[in-house]
Amino acid sequence: AQKVTQAQTEISVVEKEDVTLDCVYETRDTTYYLFWYKQPPSGELVFLIRRNSFDEQNEISGRYSWNFQKSTSSFNFTITASQVVDSAVYFCALSPIIQGAQKLVFGQGTRLTINP
Amino acid sequence: DVKVTQSSRYLVKRTGEKVFLECVQDMDHENMFWYRQDPGLGLRLIYFSYDVKMKEKGDIPEGYSVSREKKERFSLILESASTNQTSMYLCASRERGLAGNNEQFFGPGTRLTVL
Repeated sequence: AQKVTQAQTEISVVEKEDVTLDCVYETRDTTYYLFWYKQPPSGELVFLIRRNSFDEQNEISGRYSWNFQKSTSSFNFTITASQVVDSAVYFCALSPIIQGAQKLVFGQGTRLTINP
Repeated sequence: DVKVTQSSRYLVKRTGEKVFLECVQDMDHENMFWYRQDPGLGLRLIYFSYDVKMKEKGDIPEGYSVSREKKERFSLILESASTNQTSMYLCASRERGLAGNNEQFFGPGTRLTVL
């Protein structure tokens, strides 16, 4: 069975602080994809990043960075110099790489609040 | 830009009513999905469709059915709404490809309250 755990239910920080959102996953598959989505107050989930299990390089996109560590089954997300607009619920998700497979398994989500 | 629209942002229904939630996507995606989102549980897959008239159960299909008569439209049906179906419902679509590599695009959600 596949499972994604986001242990942090809510995080609240002051603007300009760095913040890391944790994601730990379980899968018996040797190949898979990992995703992060952002859900702002408007409700629509917005895709942030996709990472396949073959690629353990960390990725940086502006103030966002992702740390994928297969050895610890983690795919953590760091926001540097946080801004109020970063306030949202963030979801980590897992998908197998199997022909025909469709499903994304989501974590419980982390509600991030950035205070001015 | 991919656009996924849902028929209502907010809906209030009574127990026992038949409820239709409609989802339309404009990017000719083969795959469409219905999730429900509940606090502390994340998103859970109800049903998905990989092509017109094709459907498969997700993790929590009980109490729901779906219809996909046209490629762009995927409907979620609550045959007899119950209070435990009060939730946020999210529709998503995805281009067919190597399984898992394409991201899903989401609609804005429908917040359904069953009284």
